[in-house]
Amino acid sequence: KQEVTQIPAALSVPEGENLVLNCSFTDSAIYNLQWFRQDPGKGLTSLLLIQSSQREQTSGRLNASLDKSSGRSTLYIAASQPGDSATYLCAVNGGTSYGKLTFGQGTILTVHP
Amino acid sequence: DTEVTQTPKHLVMGMTNKKSLKCEQHMGHRAMYWYKQKAKKPPELMFVYSYEKLSINESVPSRFSPECPNSSLLNLHLHALQPEDSALYLCASSHLRTVGNTEAFFGQGTRLTVV
Repeated sequence: KQEVTQIPAALSVPEGENLVLNCSFTDSAIYNLQWFRQDPGKGLTSLLLIQSSQREQTSGRLNASLDKSSGRSTLYIAASQPGDSATYLCAVNGGTSYGKLTFGQGTILTVHP
Repeated sequence: DTEVTQTPKHLVMGMTNKKSLKCEQHMGHRAMYWYKQKAKKPPELMFVYSYEKLSINESVPSRFSPECPNSSLLNLHLHALQPEDSALYLCASSHLRTVGNTEAFFGQGTRLTVV
């Protein structure tokens, strides 16, 4: 059974810092990995999708990397802003054709001015 | 358009009520999902529909009844729920793997409270 772990559980940083969120998974037979952002009481916003054959993806100030063999992914956020405050979830799409996602517990990020 | 629309946004229902949650997408996705999220927990998969047919039921109690009337719509019918069913219900959609990119897009959720 796939298990996904995110570290740290919570992170508080001053505005402008660069930061890294970590995600690890136990079964390396994944199809892709997706990073989401969730604001309190809201739905999930897709940030980045990395296919299993890719090493990294970038979107604006966000960069996600994937090392499938070691079961790890990182989300790098450059020059953090208060508006980045949210819960960040990584989700692994495993070995079915139906896109079933297994989520980590999330990292709660607070960026203070 | 990468939007998944869920209605209603909030729902309060009694344990004897029957209600339905609705989800709509117009991205041409042929896979649609219902997830349940309890407070401070990650989403957990409930159901998967592919090509309008139920593909996965994650052992969900029968008081939750999904329906996919066409490729753009997904419903979740609720009956005789318990207070512990109170949660955020999220709908998502994606292409199927045979199409390629299976990036999942989520709606804003329905906050359900069972009283």
